[in-house]
Amino acid sequence: KNEVEQSPQNLTAQEGEFITINCSYSVGISALHWLQQHPGGGIVSLFMLSSGKKKHGRLIATINIQEKHSSLHITASHPRDSAVYICAVRFTGGSQFYFGTGTSLTVIP
Amino acid sequence: KAGVTQTPRYLIKTRGQQVTLSCSPISGHRSVSWYQQTPGQGLQFLFEYFSETQRNKGNFPGRFSGRQFSNSRSEMNVSTLELGDSALYLCASSLDPGGKLFFGSGTQLSVL
Repeated sequence: KNEVEQSPQNLTAQEGEFITINCSYSVGISALHWLQQHPGGGIVSLFMLSSGKKKHGRLIATINIQEKHSSLHITASHPRDSAVYICAVRFTGGSQFYFGTGTSLTVIP
Repeated sequence: KAGVTQTPRYLIKTRGQQVTLSCSPISGHRSVSWYQQTPGQGLQFLFEYFSETQRNKGNFPGRFSGRQFSNSRSEMNVSTLELGDSALYLCASSLDPGGKLFFGSGTQLSVL
């Protein structure tokens, strides 16, 4: 069964804190995407991963293929990071995306 | 370079009507995918098109259909609207299937 689980569902942090959001999936994947959605609906793709680690500014995404697990880290969090973060995977042999339920992040000044 | 454009931005329909939503991908992107987002179900995949061919379809009834034109623009259609079809409908484009997704702002559909 193709499943994607994210944790935590909600997260509140103080500005400057290090944040980790987790995503686990049930079977092999061809790619995993981390998406960011701000209030108002717009979605931005942050990372696309099939192995290893990627970094962009204060954001770091890692994936462990053997563990079927990915993490999104935000260093030195800022109120503008407040958004919903969604994990999306494309399972091996399939072409459609399956989504996690999202993590709602609020960073307090 | 213009982003993904979805029209209309907002739409109000009544039960039983049909609706057509439009998506213009980023220039040069040949793959277009559609998603439905609701507070209860989150994001769900509707379908994906590449070179005018539907590559895959999510678990939605036949009332949901789509197509892609030779210029890569895509439309999705929902017939015989139900209250439960009220949602944000998002379109995304990528250079090729499996590539990085670029999302439009979405069409907020309300069915009364």
